[in-house]
Amino acid sequence: GESVGLHLPTLSVQEGDNSIINCAYSNSASDYFIWYKQESGKGPQFIIDIRSNMDKRQGQRVTVLLNKTVKHLSLQIAATQPGDSAVYFCAERMAGNNRKLIWGLGTSLAVNP
Amino acid sequence: DAMVIQNPRYQVTQFGKPVTLSCSQTLNHNVMYWYQQKSSQAPKLLFHYYDKDFNNEADTPDNFQSRRPNTSFCFLDIRSPGLGDAAMYLCATSRDHDKQYFGPGTRLTVT
Repeated sequence: GESVGLHLPTLSVQEGDNSIINCAYSNSASDYFIWYKQESGKGPQFIIDIRSNMDKRQGQRVTVLLNKTVKHLSLQIAATQPGDSAVYFCAERMAGNNRKLIWGLGTSLAVNP
Repeated sequence: DAMVIQNPRYQVTQFGKPVTLSCSQTLNHNVMYWYQQKSSQAPKLLFHYYDKDFNNEADTPDNFQSRRPNTSFCFLDIRSPGLGDAAMYLCATSRDHDKQYFGPGTRLTVT
């Protein structure tokens, strides 16, 4: 399943399928990007990050792809499990003096058993 | 082995009654952040401390204040909570604005 994470949509996938969550970022000067997973009632949990000098980074069951040409970031989750159900946020960090994170709106992932 | 700890996890306060939320960390990170998060929205940065330097966001109401007495602890003070301040408050830490680690949050209810 695939979704654009700009309007807090819900992405619904079957257990075992791969998930793709997309994010469009706003600033071409951003030098660092990060994905967080947030389960209901909990704080955001770090998943994976990537710097602007890379275009792909892999973790355990997760891959982040960065396309600077079109300012697009995606999170791929392999073999999605029920425990992956959560809201996923992308965030960018601007280069320069103001280093705060600029957050995307989030995408809700629902995994059907 | 909790790294960012927030207390209490749930806080109920009355309209206009001052309330303090606390955050502590065992990571020895030099940056600490306070965020406000309302339902189905992304966290909104209120302010952060870079070492001892306080950095307020331009749109953070004066009703919100913060203290950082040492590296490990940071407090969020809400001087006169309104109904619109009911939210989840998240504390995060980082080393030099790198990856941020979040606490579990404090859910604030205003009655």
